[in-house]
Amino acid sequence: QSALTQPASVSGSPGQSITISCTGTSSDVGSYNLVSWYQQHPGKAPKLMIYEVTKRPSGVSNRFSGSKSGNTASLTISGLQAEDEADYYCCSYAGSGTFYVFGTGTKVTVL
Amino acid sequence: QVQLQESGPGLVKPSQTLSLTCSVSGGSISSGIYYWSWIRQPAGKGLEWIGRLYTSGSTNYNPSLKSRVTISVDTSKNQFSLRLSSVTAADTAIYYCARDDRAGAAFAFDIWGQGTMVTVSS
Repeated sequence: QSALTQPASVSGSPGQSITISCTGTSSDVGSYNLVSWYQQHPGKAPKLMIYEVTKRPSGVSNRFSGSKSGNTASLTISGLQAEDEADYYCCSYAGSGTFYVFGTGTKVTVL
Repeated sequence: QVQLQESGPGLVKPSQTLSLTCSVSGGSISSGIYYWSWIRQPAGKGLEWIGRLYTSGSTNYNPSLKSRVTISVDTSKNQFSLRLSSVTAADTAIYYCARDDRAGAAFAFDIWGQGTMVTVSS
């Protein structure tokens, strides 16, 4: 099972919106509405930002939103802030054989 | 508030077995509908799911690691453990334990340990 494909880097200016894509296959992203997104600052553990494609855990800013179309999921960060600069990973459930597959990761830079 | 903490040797010799423990505090490992996972991250690289343990004790593993992985639970100590056999340098990584709460953020990892670095070297 290959990793989900994410762009290596995305950048934006403060206040702007950016979108990170996460492309999988019909065996993972395309089959299940079970995509989650994680934010990871350097030297820190990942933090859950989005689950079940669109849901936000309590405490996560509503500037973060998720969506999915076909085999591609997306994370949008609106009103970009300096603190959003981090690595972001998507993850999809892939059925009872593979279980979970992570994305390749995207480095978000706030210009 | 539930917290996870990994522990174990930071250095393992090639061909030996890597053993790590995740201690759960602030809640019972066996209450609720929880899956407890191990996830690793080589330095500067992405995340890889290793396997998981269900509250009942049943396990599931990443097919690419299945032949070398064992995850087990010790409910008396509120801990679960990872054993990875026949390690090579490719197993050098930060190892995280994490929780999947089926009653909450299902099929996602809502609580993570801080991670522990394991280096495979002679």
